[in-house]
Formats: sequence, structure tokens, C-alpha cells
Amino acid sequence: DAMVIQNPRYQVTQFGKPVTLSCSQTLNHNVMYWYQQKSSQAPKLLFHYYDKDFNNEADTPDNFQSRRPNTSFCFLDIRSPGLGDAAMYLCATSIRQGYFQYFGAGTRLSVL
Amino acid sequence: AQTVTQSQPEMSVQEAETVTLSCTYDTSENNYYLFWYKQPPSRQMILVIRQEAYKQQNATENRFSVNFQKAAKSFSLKISDSQLGDTAMYFCAFPAGGTSYGKLTFGQGTILTVHP
Repeated sequence: DAMVIQNPRYQVTQFGKPVTLSCSQTLNHNVMYWYQQKSSQAPKLLFHYYDKDFNNEADTPDNFQSRRPNTSFCFLDIRSPGLGDAAMYLCATSIRQGYFQYFGAGTRLSVL
Repeated sequence: AQTVTQSQPEMSVQEAETVTLSCTYDTSENNYYLFWYKQPPSRQMILVIRQEAYKQQNATENRFSVNFQKAAKSFSLKISDSQLGDTAMYFCAFPAGGTSYGKLTFGQGTILTVHP
């Protein structure tokens, strides 16, 4: 049973065309994370929510934004995707900060 | 700065044999968790095993066990009786800021290939 669900699994967008990736969870976890992962590299944290508190990493580009309308859902908005934004985007949840995280299967974003 | 280092970019092992993946880290925290994650090709990242720093006993999960050396800041993963399904990228990780902050610091990853 999938607990962290990311949609879509594959997303193709055009250079500069806004795109939204979604994540939902059935675990009722307080914390949700968005990571960017490029090929054969470690995931890079973009931001996370602790409940409704938003925490942005210092080096996350302004092009990336997030929304968490409720406990179950979290969205990643890329306002003007560039070629360098092509990557796998991972959503993760945790029952509390500092504890282990459950990951979704990821959305692979291609930018044409 | 809190860092995690995996010094083996790639490793390979024959099926049924044992392999050890190394991880060292640096932190000023005293109480924290350490994790090993597995990411198979094009598949979901899953937690393999976790260790709480205040516990001296090494964690074990079936064929997976760790050798945790707190003073040396070393956290290696041993996979016994390797199976083809163990082929994956393995990441060592721990939360920056101990248990009070959510950010996971990941190592660079080790690509493990299990050969039949």
C-alpha cells in the first residue's frame, strides 16, 4: 500500500512553462519534504513543512515554491523551469523532525 | 558543518556473499539517529536500517546489520547473503542538528551491484 504518493510519475514540460508536482500521504505525518535528485547524486533538500510552518533552504532558487493546503497534500511549483531543473523530485514525510523519512516514488521531470 | 562521507562510489559482490559499505560522519551532536537508505534503479528510496546514537548495541534487520562506532563517527552497513535484489544505490544519512531539526544530510552514495 503506497503511503507517500507522487503524481505524476513522469512530467514533461517546456522551457519556461510553469509546472506543478503533487504529493499526498496517508500516514498523517506532520513533516513533509521536497528533494531534488539528479542522476547518481544524493537528494538535495529544497524545503520542508512542519505542519504549516514552511522552511526554505538557503540555496533553493526562487523559481521553486511550495504549498501545503492540508496535512495530506503538498505541492511543488516550478514557476519557469529551465533545462537545469530536469531531475527527479522526491517527496518525503516524517512523523517528526529528526526522525526517519518515508519517500515517495518520485516524479521525473523533463524540460524541453 | 555536519557532513557524511561514503568513500566507496561503487562496489560489487557475488550473490550469497557478504559486503560492507562504509560511512563516516561529523557532528557535534551527542544524540542523533543514523540511517541507511536503499534506492534501487528507477525505484523508490526505502529505509534499510536505523541506529540511535545513544544505543551501544548495533542495529540488525534480517540480513542487514550495522557496525556503529560512535567515537570514531563510523557507521558501516553489512549485507549478508547478498541477493540480486540488493542491487541499488545506498545512502548513509543523518539529521543535521541532531533530533531537533528535520534536514537529512546524505552521503554521496554507493552503487552496489550484486552479480549472479
